[in-house]
Amino acid sequence: GEDVEQSLFLSVREGDSSVINCTYTDSSSTYLYWYKQEPGAGLQLLTYIFSNMDMKQDQRLTVLLNKKDKHLSLRIADTQTGDSAIYFCAERIYGGSQGNLIFGKGTKLSVKP
Amino acid sequence: GAGVSQSPSNKVTEKGKDVELRCDPISGHTALYWYRQSLGQGLEFLIYFQGNSAPDKSGLPSDRFSAERTGGSVSTLTIQRTQQEDSAVYLCASSPASRTSDTQYFGPGTRLTVL
Repeated sequence: GEDVEQSLFLSVREGDSSVINCTYTDSSSTYLYWYKQEPGAGLQLLTYIFSNMDMKQDQRLTVLLNKKDKHLSLRIADTQTGDSAIYFCAERIYGGSQGNLIFGKGTKLSVKP
Repeated sequence: GAGVSQSPSNKVTEKGKDVELRCDPISGHTALYWYRQSLGQGLEFLIYFQGNSAPDKSGLPSDRFSAERTGGSVSTLTIQRTQQEDSAVYLCASSPASRTSDTQYFGPGTRLTVL
């Protein structure tokens, strides 16, 4: 079945780069997403990548996809205290009757000043 | 434009009572999703509506849970005879369509506490 796994915690110092990793199991994934959830808030889409791409960059965010290893990462350059949040990786399966996303349990990013 | 809205933002109820949670999707979005986020857990898919098609209810955890979507817009998630394990944040999302990369836009959620 489908499964998305992430490490639960990551702590970095302000100004450093953060790398959040995710692995997924379904090879028929079409799109992979990164969402951010701040305390008490809903999920905010950060970025997504199509499964035939290797990399996507958007300002401070870089997404790397290794389709062979089913590994996805999100790199945040120059991490700021405002980046402290929970980051969810999600995959979308092609051809399923469901339109839903399969989410990981989230990585809590703590940024220390 | 306005995003996805949900009401109430917080709901405290007693075990055994019924609750209704409301979701207003983004105007024009044909797909609507309900998820549940329990403490320390990821998001659990509950139900999915796409246009006028029959909803995909495969994620509903028990027959105490039901949802409807009136007029292809507003959706209500109903939990009957609530149990303490129903306590969670219930998130609604909408998207323009389900076939391609269409992004799901999430509401702020309803935090349900069952005493």
